[in-house]
Order: sequence, then C-alpha cells, then structure tokens
Amino acid sequence: DAGITQSPRHKVTETGTPVTLRCHQTENHRYMYWYRQDPGHGLRLIHYSYGVKDTDKGEVSDGYSVSRSKTEDFLLTLESATSSQTSVYFCAIRPTSGGVNEQFFGPGTRLTVL
Amino acid sequence: SQQGEEDPQALSIQEGENATMNCSYKTSINNLQWYRQNSGRGLVHLILIRSNEREKHSGRLRVTLDTSKKSSSLLITASRAADTASYFCATDSGAGSYQLTFGKGTKLSVIP
Repeated sequence: DAGITQSPRHKVTETGTPVTLRCHQTENHRYMYWYRQDPGHGLRLIHYSYGVKDTDKGEVSDGYSVSRSKTEDFLLTLESATSSQTSVYFCAIRPTSGGVNEQFFGPGTRLTVL
Repeated sequence: SQQGEEDPQALSIQEGENATMNCSYKTSINNLQWYRQNSGRGLVHLILIRSNEREKHSGRLRVTLDTSKKSSSLLITASRAADTASYFCATDSGAGSYQLTFGKGTKLSVIP
C-alpha cells in the first residue's frame, strides 16, 4: 500500500462547515496528489504538491485549498463545504527514484456534505 | 477535461473469456497507464506503456498503444471472478509534476 494513509476514512458534515482531510505517507516521496472520484467522472485532480510548501492547482481546484508543511503530510481543506463536494477523495504519491512512473493511492475518504 | 475515455462503460463476461477495454485520448502523451479499482478501494497500477512502444505484456494483461489514433487497449486473457473491478486508463503528458489524467473507467464483471 506504499505506506499511504488517509484520515478520516468517512465523514459526514453540514453545508458551510470547514473540513480538512489528511494524507500521510511514510516514505518521504516528493510528489503528492489529491483527487476526487464521482460517478461518471472518473478521477479528477484537485491539487498536487512537488515538495514542502510547493503546491499547485489541478483541474477542479475551486473551493479547495491545500497545505504541505512536512514531507509526509498533505492536507486538503474545504473552507466552506458544499453539497457538490460530496465525493470520495483519494490521495496519491509518485515515487521519484528507481525509474518508477506510476502513482500509488491511499484507501480514500468518503465525504458527505448534507 | 477528461483526457482518456474508456469504452465500453461496462462489460460483463463469463469466467475464462477474454476482456478487452479501449481508451482514447486527446493530446500527445509521454506514457499511458492502466489502473484497477476494486469496489470501495483505492486504485492499483497494472501496467504502463510508453509513447514509443506499441505493445506490452504482463502476465494475463496485454496493452497496445496506437499513437496515430490516440488510442490504447487493455486485454485481460482467461478472466477470473477476481478480475471483477473498474479499470481506468491514465495519460501522462510528460509535463512537470507527473500529473495523470484519468478516464471515466470501464466496469468489468466476470461471472463465475
């Protein structure tokens, strides 16, 4: 599982509340990604990070912010959750050594915004 | 916007049969990858094919790539019930940060 954990695994919250999802890795990989998965859309990239304090937007970044103050943690924040942000969120890492090109995914967080 | 589009959206076959899934994409790529997702789980990498390769094998998996048609296919031979999952293609354009753009997936059901 490439040492990736996500917390919480499930969360139900109300519209307008802030929510933070955490992705933690144990292998000090430089690249980390946040995706959301919705029926009929596959996975869409929200934000990604290429190092501590280095982040950039993905395809569907509106309404989301991220932070990476330590190599091992990549946080995704919904400042004011909306029902359209109900989704399953996946974190992924990409190793940068050994010629590996694939991404490794965490188990996902199912978020419901009522 | 989605780069890869899988076809068919859903596929149901009998155990022992072969399953073929197709992926089309829009822009030039550095490589194309296939992932599998079991229900309620994260994605798992299956196989990668580079833009200068035409075919690649890994166990019961065979991937082809036609860059002139911007398409790829994944063949699973002698399918098993355990192959039941959703399969996604993902393209790497070679731009910085190794971003992948995923298709919407093919849901494969293998009937014992």
